[in-house]
Amino acid sequence: EDQVTQSPEALRLQEGESSSLNCSYTVSGLRGLFWYRQDPGKGPEFLFTLYSAGEEKEKERLKATLTKKESFLHITAPKPEDSATYLCAVQSGNTPLVFGKGTRLSVIA
Amino acid sequence: SQTIHQWPATLVQPVGSPLSLECTVEGTSNPNLYWYRQAAGRGLQLLFYSVGIGQISSEVPQNLSASRPQDRQFILSSKKLLLSDSGFYLCAWSWQRHTEAFFGQGTRLTVV
Repeated sequence: EDQVTQSPEALRLQEGESSSLNCSYTVSGLRGLFWYRQDPGKGPEFLFTLYSAGEEKEKERLKATLTKKESFLHITAPKPEDSATYLCAVQSGNTPLVFGKGTRLSVIA
Repeated sequence: SQTIHQWPATLVQPVGSPLSLECTVEGTSNPNLYWYRQAAGRGLQLLFYSVGIGQISSEVPQNLSASRPQDRQFILSSKKLLLSDSGFYLCAWSWQRHTEAFFGQGTRLTVV
């Protein structure tokens, strides 16, 4: 059974303090790993898809990387507007996406 | 561009009452459609998905049902709501089955 574990559950950063969120996964035959951002009371917003180990994708202050066992979402010099819950999901074979429980990020000015 | 509409945004319903949540997608044809539920402290749980009109796959046994009467319309229903049906319901679509999905804004359902 595919499993996704995100850590930490919550992270509090000062504005400008860079850090990383972790998504560990256990799947047989990864077809894609997905990162989403979710604001309170809203639907998740798609950020990135990573397909193979070594792949990296960037968007503004966010950079996602992928290894054979985990993915990291690096946040460089975060701003208060980066505060949100970040979700990771994996897909293998022909099965639906499996989501982690998310990391709740707070960036304090 | 593609957009997804989901309504209502919030809903308070008594136990035993029926439910109908609607979702429509614009700007694409034959999308894969999904209904998820998100409970506090838990990950997104896939309830139903559909690859075409009239085709519904159920992921978990429950008090809910789904229908796809038109290509870009997906409906979540219940005949009699339970307290345990409370939660945040999300509709989503994707170009291909089980690839990156794009979500609506969600419906907060409270069963009282």
